[in-house]
Amino acid sequence: EADIYQTPRYLVIGTGKKITLECSQTMGHDKMYWYQQDPGMELHLIHYSYGVNSTEKGDLSSESTVSRIRTEHFPLTLESARPSHTSQYLCASSEYSRGVQFFGPGTRLTVL
Amino acid sequence: QKEVEQDPGPLSVPEGAIVSLNCTYSNSAFQYFMWYRQYSRKGPELLMYTYSSGNKEDGRFTAQVDKSSKYISLFIRDSQPSDSATYLCAMRLNTGNQFYFGTGTSLTVIP
Repeated sequence: EADIYQTPRYLVIGTGKKITLECSQTMGHDKMYWYQQDPGMELHLIHYSYGVNSTEKGDLSSESTVSRIRTEHFPLTLESARPSHTSQYLCASSEYSRGVQFFGPGTRLTVL
Repeated sequence: QKEVEQDPGPLSVPEGAIVSLNCTYSNSAFQYFMWYRQYSRKGPELLMYTYSSGNKEDGRFTAQVDKSSKYISLFIRDSQPSDSATYLCAMRLNTGNQFYFGTGTSLTVIP
């Protein structure tokens, strides 16, 4: 079954650590996205990709970076985590022909 | 002004009630309209999507798009406690890659 996966689901780390949040999709979608969502708040786009080797920053200023070496894989990296990075991170992909977006289950990050 | 406006609620209804959730938008060029359901601490799940205007029905859910009023609605019939979640509307232009989301409406269905 086609799907979108995120790991880890929960992560608690100390300040200054480098972390990578993984996102993979099996739907063959060209476009992938990373959103940040605080509890009860709206989604904020932080990165997106049109396809392999194509990445763009979103509306929300972020200290994270992304890469897109394979169509199915879109990892997000924080070089030095800070408490202000505590949030839920949602990965999504979209199907151009139907114009809709599918989300992964999210990674809940806590930086102490 | 935000591209998409959605009343955050919270909305509380008794089981079996008909629920109406709404979003307004400012960009008349939006063509794709989506509704997502998000349970606490989970990712949004696509419920319904509509291209351009009109109605779409799926079980207890009906999505309506009124492009003349720039207004979309999601109706839930015979609401169940399992419908308790946050409902997000989202929109997209015919071209481009960006999606525009509402802030979400929190719904509680009381048994």
